[in-house]
Amino acid sequence: DTAVSQTPKYLVTQMGNDKSIKCEQNLGHDTMYWYKQDSKKFLKIMFSYNNKELIINETVPNRFSPKSPDKAHLNLHINSLELGDSAVYFCASSRDISYEQYFGPGTRLTVT
Amino acid sequence: QKEVEQNSGPLSVPEGAIASLNCTYSDRGSQSFFWYRQYSGKSPELIMFIYSNGDKEDGRFTAQLNKASQYVSLLIRDSQPSDSATYLCAVRGGSTLGRLYFGRGTQLTVWP
Repeated sequence: DTAVSQTPKYLVTQMGNDKSIKCEQNLGHDTMYWYKQDSKKFLKIMFSYNNKELIINETVPNRFSPKSPDKAHLNLHINSLELGDSAVYFCASSRDISYEQYFGPGTRLTVT
Repeated sequence: QKEVEQNSGPLSVPEGAIASLNCTYSDRGSQSFFWYRQYSGKSPELIMFIYSNGDKEDGRFTAQLNKASQYVSLLIRDSQPSDSATYLCAVRGGSTLGRLYFGRGTQLTVWP
């Protein structure tokens, strides 16, 4: 069984479009995260939700909006996509904010 | 900005040798320390975490933490070609709501 899953795995789209990435975890964890890994492989947190409440909101353009409909799901919606948004986006989860984090398989976003 | 520094490598060791990966961090209040392995094109996979000063062993892996020196390391004994990957050091501060700060990773190659 997949612990943290993301869809889609690959996303190719044009500048200016709006797209969403979905994440689900079946671990019963309370905390979920979105990370961005750039072309230099640097992994940086974007958002975190704990029990459906936003607790971390890093300096990320307003075009990025996370949504957590329940504790098992955390989605990421991106408006007006730009070339610089091209990266791999990872979802992760942890039992709560104090515990180790487990990553999903990633979504490779390419903006053309 | 809390910094986590790793030697980018590449680190190249022969099969059967000990690989030593090092990480330093700037936030003296950091509480939790993690090592992730990331194969090319895959997601980070948690391999070790350590919270207290000293050594923690798990199979061929040993994590070492020295909070006074703000230093954490990962030793891989009896290195195998399958250990070839990028190793990411991650640090959680004392009051960062679960936020992990990642180093840029050390690329390890184990040659047969």
